[in-house]
Amino acid sequence: RKEVEQDPGPFNVPEGATVAFNCTYSNSASQSFFWYRQDCRKEPKLLMSVYSSGNEDGRFTAQLNRASQYISLLIRDSKLSDSATYLCVVNGWVSNYQLIWGAGTKLIIKP
Amino acid sequence: SQTIHQWPATLVQPVGSPLSLECTVEGTSNPNLYWYRQAAGRGLQLLFYSVGIGQISSEVPQNLSASRPQDRQFILSSKKLLLSDSGFYLCAWTGSGRRYQETQYFGPGTRLLVL
Repeated sequence: RKEVEQDPGPFNVPEGATVAFNCTYSNSASQSFFWYRQDCRKEPKLLMSVYSSGNEDGRFTAQLNRASQYISLLIRDSKLSDSATYLCVVNGWVSNYQLIWGAGTKLIIKP
Repeated sequence: SQTIHQWPATLVQPVGSPLSLECTVEGTSNPNLYWYRQAAGRGLQLLFYSVGIGQISSEVPQNLSASRPQDRQFILSSKKLLLSDSGFYLCAWTGSGRRYQETQYFGPGTRLLVL
């Protein structure tokens, strides 16, 4: 089983729709969770951290489910500019400086 | 504000040639610095990290090495490149505080193609 697993997609979604995707992680002791966004041929940028209580930032909502070991990202009222690859990131367990990165879920918003 | 620079943006190198990629950070002191590699369609793989000058930790054994000669400079090197070294190389920094809890800020990356 991969340490951090994501559906690679692509998710093809019409503009204005709501889309959600999950990410599963293998280590139940993980403490830090993030969603990063990566545009084509660009560097990743932090979208949001994921807290135990869940968090919301505008149209984006992140949730953590420790029992089932997954985090989710919900995007409401999707915009064309939301088209990107969304990377799930979990802290590693070998080193305190290690982050484990998923391969990403590609999202394409269509007009 | 903090900025992170990487160069070159793109590099095409023959197998067996040496490599040197440089990363510099501005606007912060004593950052933690990281080198990642991203293969096509894959997640980021941590190669090296550094918590201070001359302090390098390797996450993956390979033919690459890293050095940190100055507080805000991080260099990735290889004496002889392999085909498998091709990829997107990203440098990142975080504050020197809470390690994995910190947001990572990335440079623009270097696309390396080894032929």
